[in-house]
Amino acid sequence: GAVVSQHPSRVICKSGTSVKIECRSLDFQATTMFWYRQFPKKSLMLMATSNEGSKATYEQGVEKDKFLINHASLTLSTLTVTSAHPEDSSFYICSARPPGARTEAFFGQGTRLTVV
Amino acid sequence: GENVEQHPSTLSVQEGDSAVIKCTYSDSASNYFPWYKQELGKRPQLIIDIRSNVGEKKDQRIAVTLNKTAKHFSLHITETQPEDSAVYFCAATLHSGGSYIPTFGRGTSLIVHP
Repeated sequence: GAVVSQHPSRVICKSGTSVKIECRSLDFQATTMFWYRQFPKKSLMLMATSNEGSKATYEQGVEKDKFLINHASLTLSTLTVTSAHPEDSSFYICSARPPGARTEAFFGQGTRLTVV
Repeated sequence: GENVEQHPSTLSVQEGDSAVIKCTYSDSASNYFPWYKQELGKRPQLIIDIRSNVGEKKDQRIAVTLNKTAKHFSLHITETQPEDSAVYFCAATLHSGGSYIPTFGRGTSLIVHP
C-alpha cells in the first residue's frame, strides 16, 4: 500500500515553455501532498505544501507564479513549471500523506527536468 | 522554522562494520523523526522512524536513537552490506499551519566497500 506515482520521470523542454508534472496517490486518498526540489548531491528542499481543495502553501523564496500547484482531487496534485529556464533544471519529487497519518509521507519516483 | 543538521556528509566503511549518522534539530516541538534511504536516481524510501515519546527503536540491522533534551537523533546500521550504499536523509517533522511539515537534513552518502 501507500504507492505514489509521479509522471513523467524525465522531461526535456525548451527554454520559455511550461512543463506539468503529475503526482498521484494510487491506492489511497492524500489530503496533503508535498513538492520538493533536489539539487545534485543535495537535500530535499520543500517548495510547497499542497492541500486538496485549497491553495498551496509555498515556502519562502519559492515563486508561486513560477511554480503553479494544483491539488484538484484527493489523488492528484500537479506542479507546473511556467516559462522554464535552464536554472529550473532539477529533480522534482512529490510526497503524499495517507489518510489518518499525521506525519508519515511516501515519495513519488521523481521527475528529472532539463531545460535547454 | 525547523533547522536540521546532518553529519557526516560522506561515510565510507568496510563491509561488516557499523555506520552511524547523526542529526540535530532546532525546534523542540518537532515530534516525528523519519529516516530515508535514497539510491541513485530513485525515490527516498522510509527505512525507520521514531516519535518523540520513544528513545530508541530497532528493526533488524537498523536502529534509531532520540535524545529530546539534546535535540539530536542518530541512525545506526550494523553489519553493513554493499547494498546499504546510498544517500540517507534524516528529517524532523513539525506541526505548522495545520500540517505536519518535514524538514530534511542535507543527506549522508554511505559507501560500503566489499
